[in-house]
Amino acid sequence: AQTVTQSQPEMSVQEAETVTLSCTYDTSESDYYLFWYKQPPSRQMILVIRQEAYKQQNATENRFSVNFQKAAKSFSLKISDSQLGDAAMYFCAANSGGYQKVTFGTGTKLQVIP
Amino acid sequence: GAVVSQHPSWVICKSGTSVKIECRSLDFQATTMFWYRQFPKQSLMLMATSNEGSKATYEQGVEKDKFLINHASLTLSTLTVTSAHPEDSSFYICSARDARGSGKGQYFGPGTRLTVT
Repeated sequence: AQTVTQSQPEMSVQEAETVTLSCTYDTSESDYYLFWYKQPPSRQMILVIRQEAYKQQNATENRFSVNFQKAAKSFSLKISDSQLGDAAMYFCAANSGGYQKVTFGTGTKLQVIP
Repeated sequence: GAVVSQHPSWVICKSGTSVKIECRSLDFQATTMFWYRQFPKQSLMLMATSNEGSKATYEQGVEKDKFLINHASLTLSTLTVTSAHPEDSSFYICSARDARGSGKGQYFGPGTRLTVT
């Protein structure tokens, strides 16, 4: 079994500034993947970034990067140069097991202030 | 690439009737598809895992006789809500796992909003 915890129900950031969303997880698997998904008002889930647990190097995708601390089971998302289009719900997720079931956190609502 | 479609995008049905929701992977094969339910302002709750050619695996607390899942091909899974009641009103999302790689995660459909009157 795995659990994903997001302790920030809501966050806000000024446009062009940087914000970090927190996530912790727990899993008994040795091989797993971690994800951040974005869900805008349209409710379409969009993959933001993915991290393989066996890789020590933090994943980056343009303005999005993660701080993966395996020993602490922490997986935070940093959004740089925040844009109005970044406003959405962000879900942290973990993926492991034979059928690769994904477990989601409760989400963080990000507001971007112009 | 990696597009998943759902049909219909929204549906209204009367209490007691059944409604079918389709989930298709458009440009890849998906041996495994997942069905989620999402209530307003809440996270996604996994309902069941659908495997092509075999019976679906349901999560604890999900009624398999009420939520019928069929995964007849590598690109299509269907969820049928039988004898729907107002409490079944929700947003249903499917996702498909790319058979080419376990670490690629899942690709999500746009969701189906079900309203039971």
